[in-house]
Amino acid sequence: DAKTTQPPSMDCAEGRAANLPCNHSTISGNEYVYWYRQIHSQGPQYIIHGLKNNETNEMASLIITEDRKSSTLILPHATLRDTAVYYCIVRLYYNQGGKLIFGQGTELSVKP
Amino acid sequence: GAVVSQHPSRVICKSGTSVKIECRSLDFQATTMFWYRQFPKKSLMLMATSNEGSKATYEQGVEKDKFLINHASLTLSTLTVTSAHPEDSSFYICSATPGLAVHNEQFFGPGTRLTVL
Repeated sequence: DAKTTQPPSMDCAEGRAANLPCNHSTISGNEYVYWYRQIHSQGPQYIIHGLKNNETNEMASLIITEDRKSSTLILPHATLRDTAVYYCIVRLYYNQGGKLIFGQGTELSVKP
Repeated sequence: GAVVSQHPSRVICKSGTSVKIECRSLDFQATTMFWYRQFPKKSLMLMATSNEGSKATYEQGVEKDKFLINHASLTLSTLTVTSAHPEDSSFYICSATPGLAVHNEQFFGPGTRLTVL
């Protein structure tokens, strides 16, 4: 699986959009970009995933560059409860489930 | 979304004893479950992949005789830390993948905090 690079930490003001970048320059054509987050002392939570098109769900939007070498997770209106470590993971899509290899992630602090 | 539970949520044990952690998928059948450990301020480290009815596949550097994994049913996987020592103290997290999931989300349990005295 391709390696990802994320900034170690970011701050965001409550109510503003949080834009979390991820570099995955060695991504291959059949690898997906997944985002998970982990609130302190809890298990990770799935947020969103995509292959090449931008994706949006009730939690966030995922913007993937045309060359697929980087992506941005957008939390449109961050709240204090969005304070967590956000992990960008690149992996193959398997029918029987595939391993998730976690990097160091970005610690997002949403401040009042 | 699908729910995964872990039991116990916290456990404290004496050095040399064995501890069993359960991971259950509550509302779906999980053909594959994964076990992770996480040290304070660190990322999750995959320990092993557990497939129902077969032996677990361990990641490099993980001692299979130390961390026994059993996936006896489609809703239950167990991790037994044998002869636990203080360095085994960690946050253990499991995840499960529904066998028929369209996009193979992994659903994570809430974690088990193990403290070995």
